[in-house]
Amino acid sequence: AQTVTQSQPEMSVQEAETVTLSCTYDTSESNYYLFWYKQPPSRQMILVIRQEAYKQQNATENRFSVNFQKAAKSFSLKISDSQLGDTAMYFCAFIQGGSEKLVFGKGTKLTVNP
Amino acid sequence: DVKVTQSSRYLVKRTGEKVFLECVQDMDHENMFWYRQDPGLGLRLIYFSYDVKMKEKGDIPEGYSVSREKKERFSLILESASTNQTSMYLCASSPRTSGREHFGPGTRLTVT
Repeated sequence: AQTVTQSQPEMSVQEAETVTLSCTYDTSESNYYLFWYKQPPSRQMILVIRQEAYKQQNATENRFSVNFQKAAKSFSLKISDSQLGDTAMYFCAFIQGGSEKLVFGKGTKLTVNP
Repeated sequence: DVKVTQSSRYLVKRTGEKVFLECVQDMDHENMFWYRQDPGLGLRLIYFSYDVKMKEKGDIPEGYSVSREKKERFSLILESASTNQTSMYLCASSPRTSGREHFGPGTRLTVT
């Protein structure tokens, strides 16, 4: 069974600095997708970024980028120029190609300090 | 924008009551999901549905049932609520095989 591990339950960063959230996953499949979801306090969870496993190029969405290391099964999220609004729970997730169900990590609580 | 709505943000029920949580999505998504979220445990899938009247058990289906009579609506039912079902319940929808789930605001259920 696929598993997703986020080894950092909590992290903090100063406003305007860069922070990296770690995620590792375990699968024997070659066709899959990886995601980072963000859940701000008392607000809805939203998709931040998506990576196709067959693409070598790392996905980027504005200040959010990933470091996808397929051989190491690592998928970290880098947030540049951190803003107070980035304070949230961040969940790493995996889906096997052709499957309908995401597998989530346990989340990392990120606090951006002024 | 996809909108996923849940019938209540906060709900307080007594042990043994039958509880209905409703979820509605407006983007004609095939898939709908019910998760529960507990501190330190992340999101755990209770049930999901890939079509009207179709459902599949998730990781923790015990004590729950679901109903999907219309494509846009997915209901979670607690037949006899227990205190260990106190939790945050999240509904989500997605197009088929995309992983791009759109979440509702959540229902915080307290069972006393």
